[in-house]
Amino acid sequence: DQQVKQNSPSLSVQEGRISILNCDYTNSMFDYFLWYKKYPAEGPTFLISISSIKDKNEDGRFTVFLNKSAKHLSLHIVPSQPGDSAVYFCAASADTGNQFYFGTGTSLTVIP
Amino acid sequence: ETGVTQTPRHLVMGMTNKKSLKCEQHLGHNAMYWYKQSAKKPLELMFVYNFKEQTENNSVPSRFSPECPNSSHLFLHLHTLQPEDSALYLCASSLQFRADTQYFGPGTRLTVL
Repeated sequence: DQQVKQNSPSLSVQEGRISILNCDYTNSMFDYFLWYKKYPAEGPTFLISISSIKDKNEDGRFTVFLNKSAKHLSLHIVPSQPGDSAVYFCAASADTGNQFYFGTGTSLTVIP
Repeated sequence: ETGVTQTPRHLVMGMTNKKSLKCEQHLGHNAMYWYKQSAKKPLELMFVYNFKEQTENNSVPSRFSPECPNSSHLFLHLHTLQPEDSALYLCASSLQFRADTQYFGPGTRLTVL
């Protein structure tokens, strides 16, 4: 059973607007979360992370929000740019675990 | 060269062939990983090496055989694969083992005929 889910396989957003990518998880032991971005023909690249002691982490245009009670995290990109068009993966890990669990990814298209 | 590199980038092989995938990291990391990415599925962890020692084998069939001669190099030896093994194989590394940010290579797109 998938422990990390990204229920939206794709998302289209107009340039300059906000992109919101969502991720849900089932394991309450998860305490460290990451977002990766992947362009075609390239490996995933690390974007931003958050640990469970925080509910928000910001890095430039990218902000990750964590709602532990809902077991939900989201990535906000503001303002969205055409270069942000990529597949975004969320991943989660438990301190007692030894691996990250990845979602299936959301393909974001930013329309100029 | 920096980061995590993988060769070859594309590989087509028959079911009776033997081939190897290579991964090299130039980041001074101590842990290396092999992942499999199939269409519409999440990344699946296959193997983990920490300081050249295998610490994880996620029930991977024996037709996949990893090798880690040192902390910078990781191989995946392939033998008698099946068409359903066609996928993108990604190598990653991290400074520390366990829950540390992983840095990925570009992947090898494998097609098994």
